[in-house]
Amino acid sequence: QVQLVESGGGVVQPGRSLRLSCAASGFTFSSYGMHWVRQAPGKGLEWVAVIWYDGSNKYYADSVKGRFTISRDNSKNTLYLQMNSLRAEDTAVYYCARDSAQLPALDVWGQGTTVTVSS
Amino acid sequence: EIVLTQSPGTLSLSPGERATLSCRASQSVSSSYLAWYQQKPGQAPRLLIYGASSRATGIPDRFSGSGSGTDFTLTISRLEPEDFAVYYCQQYGSSLGGLTFGGGTKVEIK
Repeated sequence: QVQLVESGGGVVQPGRSLRLSCAASGFTFSSYGMHWVRQAPGKGLEWVAVIWYDGSNKYYADSVKGRFTISRDNSKNTLYLQMNSLRAEDTAVYYCARDSAQLPALDVWGQGTTVTVSS
Repeated sequence: EIVLTQSPGTLSLSPGERATLSCRASQSVSSSYLAWYQQKPGQAPRLLIYGASSRATGIPDRFSGSGSGTDFTLTISRLEPEDFAVYYCQQYGSSLGGLTFGGGTKVEIK
């Protein structure tokens, strides 16, 4: 079945780095744009970044621009989020989501991985 | 940047009642790019409505979306126990590929 599984979350000190992964299965990963969306504890959804199906374009929320990098490896069906210079306000559950350009909307979501930035 | 404002923040209703959720955009939004999601505690969001009014696969017909321009509505005709959750509207922003979410409306049991 169509599935996205995030991994790589954890507890990290401010200023340090972390890389999240999102493994896709059950669909042609290389045909879809992919997003990262996060949710701080008790808060709403915040879009983080998007990468086009072929990796040719990437866009970021202002809150993470210059610190986070989205990438993908279509040969491994995997999406990544490299997070540098982490701050306390980056603490959140991070979801990867598939962009169904045909709809358009985020039609498949992973279960999320939790990132906690704390000293 | 387009801001989406959802109201009310919380809606207290009983099972069987009708729920009407509002999503207002700070400037006109293409209906094609307006979606609604449902999120239950501890779960990922789930796509309900895309293109302002089209139900996603497997979504019951008690959920309907409408609106255009700056005002959009999600209606749940008769609330079932499993419908008590938080609902978010979302649109594709002016920056290519970027998204914006509304702040959410919590539908709780009265």
